[in-house]
Amino acid sequence: QQQVRQSSQSLTVWEGETAILNCSYENSAFDYFPWYQQFPGEGPALLIAIRSVSDKKEDGRFTIFFNKREKNLSLHIKDSQPGDSATYFCAASDTNAYKVIFGKGTHLHVLP
Amino acid sequence: NAGVIQTPRHKVTGKGQEATLWCEPISGHSAVFWYRQTIVQGLEFLTYFRNQAPIDDSGMPKERFSAQMPNQSHSTLKIQSTQPQDSAVYLCASPSDNYAEQFFGPGTRLTVL
Repeated sequence: QQQVRQSSQSLTVWEGETAILNCSYENSAFDYFPWYQQFPGEGPALLIAIRSVSDKKEDGRFTIFFNKREKNLSLHIKDSQPGDSATYFCAASDTNAYKVIFGKGTHLHVLP
Repeated sequence: NAGVIQTPRHKVTGKGQEATLWCEPISGHSAVFWYRQTIVQGLEFLTYFRNQAPIDDSGMPKERFSAQMPNQSHSTLKIQSTQPQDSAVYLCASPSDNYAEQFFGPGTRLTVL
């Protein structure tokens, strides 16, 4: 049973477009949702995160939209750049617990 | 702050040999997590230490995998009698006070021939 599901394994966009990466979860107890970015040969790095009390979190070109009722969220990358090409992991946690549950990742390709 | 350090970055073993992977967490962080990453399974939780004590090893294959944290500056993951299906990237992470904000090392890519 996959608790955090990312709808696409791979996504390709052109430079300048907005990339939208989708994620859904099953456990209503999850209340914190970080997104991680991973480049080849490196470990994942925290990119941006949202708490379940919010419906939107913005940081520069990166925005998370969160829908608690539907148990889904999305990461929007505005004005995508070739340097954004990486694998993006949606994750979820219950702040009363210690485990972070990761989705299987979406590999984003930004074409110049 | 050098971040989480993992050594070696790459390790190649023959089937049946032993592999020991090392992790040095961020100084001052009290917890260490080990994960295994493969294309098929993604990021799988293996085990977790807090203040050097083993808290949860529910993700560890029972028979050949073991982990230790002898002091606050390093943790080891040992795989005995390695098998080709153990080939993966093994990641170590030390979180901030918010355990969902994990700082990952670069990983050790283990290849079992």
